[in-house]
Amino acid sequence: ETGVTQSPTHLIKTRGQQVTLRCSSQSGHNTVSWYQQALGQGPQFIFQYYREEENGRGNFPPRFSGLQFPNYSSELNVNALELDDSALYLCASSLGRDGTEAFFGQGTRLTVV
Amino acid sequence: AQSVTQLGSHVSVSEGALVLLRCNYSSSVPPYLFWYVQYPNQGLQLLLKYTSAATLVKGINGFEAEFKKSETSFHLTKPSAHMSDAAEYFCAVKGDKLIFGTGTRLQVFP
Repeated sequence: ETGVTQSPTHLIKTRGQQVTLRCSSQSGHNTVSWYQQALGQGPQFIFQYYREEENGRGNFPPRFSGLQFPNYSSELNVNALELDDSALYLCASSLGRDGTEAFFGQGTRLTVV
Repeated sequence: AQSVTQLGSHVSVSEGALVLLRCNYSSSVPPYLFWYVQYPNQGLQLLLKYTSAATLVKGINGFEAEFKKSETSFHLTKPSAHMSDAAEYFCAVKGDKLIFGTGTRLQVFP
């Protein structure tokens, strides 16, 4: 059984650029959630995908978008990067729309300069 | 709306001492509650979860937490701290999404 994997592990982008982060969910899991964790803060919910459809969204602007693929892997896209987007981005997978246990990946550290 | 509050952003204990990390929740429905641990530059690892079964929940690495509805608390404890317990700990409540507290950094001194 493979766990949740995220790529890349680290990324440096320039303000105004676009970025795509990737997540492979744990085997058998059909729900993926994305979180942003700024330095010294708790993770903040961005959005969740269940069976390829968005199933909840946090308080993030539309330039944060996502996709879930038929194999339940997922992408997080951020357009027009801002300095404040610098953070650790965490992906979590779970089973079912309301799965009670989420398994997290190691995260992608995004730095915007 | 659901929320969790972690009291104390930093906790320091000596190796072998009791660990107590505090979490209070707010929820209009019976909550699902979680404790996660995060080591430097890593993701979150589930320590334990409460899903309305037994009120005393045992987790990994010797940690446990007790759900107290009357106090709206879900404090995390470990009888004897180990150096390897030094990390950031997050309490979370689940509604339609996981809502995390701001975290407590645990330091363990030899």
